[in-house]
Amino acid sequence: AQSVTQLGSHVSVSEGALVLLRCNYSSSVPPYLFWYVQYPNQGLQLLLKYTSAATLVKGINGFEAEFKKSETSFHLTKPSAHMSDAAEYFCAVIFNQAGTALIFGKGTTLSVSS
Amino acid sequence: DADVTQTPRNRITKTGKRIMLECSQTKGHDRMYWYRQDPGLGLRLIYYSFDVKDINKGEISDGYSVSRQAQAKFSLSLESAIPNQTALYFCATSDTRRTDEAFFGQGTRLTVV
Repeated sequence: AQSVTQLGSHVSVSEGALVLLRCNYSSSVPPYLFWYVQYPNQGLQLLLKYTSAATLVKGINGFEAEFKKSETSFHLTKPSAHMSDAAEYFCAVIFNQAGTALIFGKGTTLSVSS
Repeated sequence: DADVTQTPRNRITKTGKRIMLECSQTKGHDRMYWYRQDPGLGLRLIYYSFDVKDINKGEISDGYSVSRQAQAKFSLSLESAIPNQTALYFCATSDTRRTDEAFFGQGTRLTVV
């Protein structure tokens, strides 16, 4: 069955440390892949997306993600965490571009300590 | 003005009451979606519509119904609200010609007491 999994419901890092949020999908056909961020008491904001162009995708706020077909992964990274990065992050996929809706992972809450 | 507008933004209702959440968009998109967000469960798809005459059930449609009154409007109804429908609800839109991005409303926080 097609699915999207975020490994780790909560990730804690120190300010200045590397941020790595993991996302894996299950599908025989590479989907469209997205990362969204939700700051406290706000809606969802698109960070970046992969739509079969470059496998390394750069997004807003210094985030980037790499699509790895062999690992069915789309992990989100940022070299140096800021306090303002504390938020909930969602990986999402569209499995069949023509006929399905955006499906979300369960989310990863990122905490950043000083 | 926001491209995707949800009303109300917050609502408290009693068990057994009927409630409607409304979503309107000015993006001219043909596809619209309703999701609910619960802590630890992410966003789960309730219903989606690819055009005015198309309505599809999502992962968790039981207890909900929808109406696509026009291309720009997509309403979600709870016929008889129950406490476990307390959640944050999001409406989203996308364009068939560009299914690579969805645009979200600000959310409706619904509490059923």
